[in-house]
Amino acid sequence: DGGITQSPKYLFRKEGQNVTLSCEQNLNHDAMYWYRQDPGQGLRLIYYSQIVNDFQKGDIAEGYSVSREKKESFPLTVTSAQKNPTAFYLCASKDNVNTGELFFGEGSRLTVL
Amino acid sequence: KNEVEQSPQNLTAQEGEFITINCSYSVGISALHWLQQHPGGGIVSLFMLSSGKKKHGRLIATINIQEKHSSLHITASHPRDSAVYICAVKPLRGTASKLTFGTGTRLQVTL
Repeated sequence: DGGITQSPKYLFRKEGQNVTLSCEQNLNHDAMYWYRQDPGQGLRLIYYSQIVNDFQKGDIAEGYSVSREKKESFPLTVTSAQKNPTAFYLCASKDNVNTGELFFGEGSRLTVL
Repeated sequence: KNEVEQSPQNLTAQEGEFITINCSYSVGISALHWLQQHPGGGIVSLFMLSSGKKKHGRLIATINIQEKHSSLHITASHPRDSAVYICAVKPLRGTASKLTFGTGTRLQVTL
């Protein structure tokens, strides 16, 4: 079955540590996205990639980094520079940047201890 | 004021009731998405529409571009419909990839 797989589902980290969240899709989609969800707020865009080897900052990119070395993979690294990293992170993909349905993963919940 | 406003924020209904969730937005858009977020956190796309009305099973989505308003209707609601429903718009201006999301409507359907 085609879809998006995020891992891990739950992650705990100590302050000062970098962590990487995995996002893999087998939908052959060009565009991939990382969103952050906090209670009482709408999803906010962290980074997005429209094509392999290219990515753009979203609204809240500070403290995060990404790579897009393969079409199917778009990992997100939460660095120690992110001041408030505890949140729910969602990865999504779309067939075409301008049109098409969004497909989401199941999300990763990061808690900083 | 948020660009996308949903109402109500929370909704409780009894099984079988007809449910309406509203979404108003303040900018010109090229498309509007309705999404469903399950208690576990995963999100499923329900509809993407730019005009008129779409129907899928017991779900109906309508949009009025002139009034900048969309509604999501659920007929014959069932406890399995319990979820957070999120409206998102693709503004005409701005980057092609950016969606603006509402904060969601939490629906609880009881027996």
